[in-house]
Amino acid sequence: EPEVTQTPSHQVTQMGQEVILRCVPISNHLYFYWYRQILGQKVEFLVSFYNNEISEKSEIFDDQFSVERPDGSNFTLKIRSTKLEDSAMYFCASTVWGESEAFFGQGTRLTVV
Amino acid sequence: AQSVAQPEDQVNVAEGNPLTVKCTYSVSGNPYLFWYVQYPNRGLQFLLKYITGDNLVKGSYGFEAEFNKSQTSFHLKKPSALVSDSALYFCAVRARGDYKLSFGAGTTVTVRA
Repeated sequence: EPEVTQTPSHQVTQMGQEVILRCVPISNHLYFYWYRQILGQKVEFLVSFYNNEISEKSEIFDDQFSVERPDGSNFTLKIRSTKLEDSAMYFCASTVWGESEAFFGQGTRLTVV
Repeated sequence: AQSVAQPEDQVNVAEGNPLTVKCTYSVSGNPYLFWYVQYPNRGLQFLLKYITGDNLVKGSYGFEAEFNKSQTSFHLKKPSALVSDSALYFCAVRARGDYKLSFGAGTTVTVRA
């Protein structure tokens, strides 16, 4: 069964460092998303991406965040200068079209120290 | 703004008994509604969705959910729970024409043998 894959599963980084989280969405999906879940809190929407551009972003997704689809398969989330409060589980998701169900990856646990 | 409430942090049932996980939502217009399940150290797995049509929707692993527009609810049900159903369950809503999912806080289900 096709699935969304994310790497790495766990990343530890020092405050102020740049991190890139990687995702390979399901191959025939057209919409891509990043969500995050701070420990003990709700899953929160960060950004959606379609046709090589951001279609929607939340207030959390400030100038420190960026997304890219550098080739036909990968979808990345970059945090330029990490803060302690960026520590969370980051989930990538994809959908065939905007109204269909989202399929999620297993997540990347980011720990900023 | 859209939101989801899951009024119970925890639900405990005996194996073989019916399981219900409650969800209410708030959204402008007609909603898209989803249930996801999360097992420890795993991503979010899609269970079922309501888009339009029959108010009772059936999903994976014997789960079903009933959409009630007047009560703005989308409760998840299973007639006979299994120990393997023990997990964290999330209800999510998306407004039509929107891209992002809004999640509830999650309900931890424990099924005892």
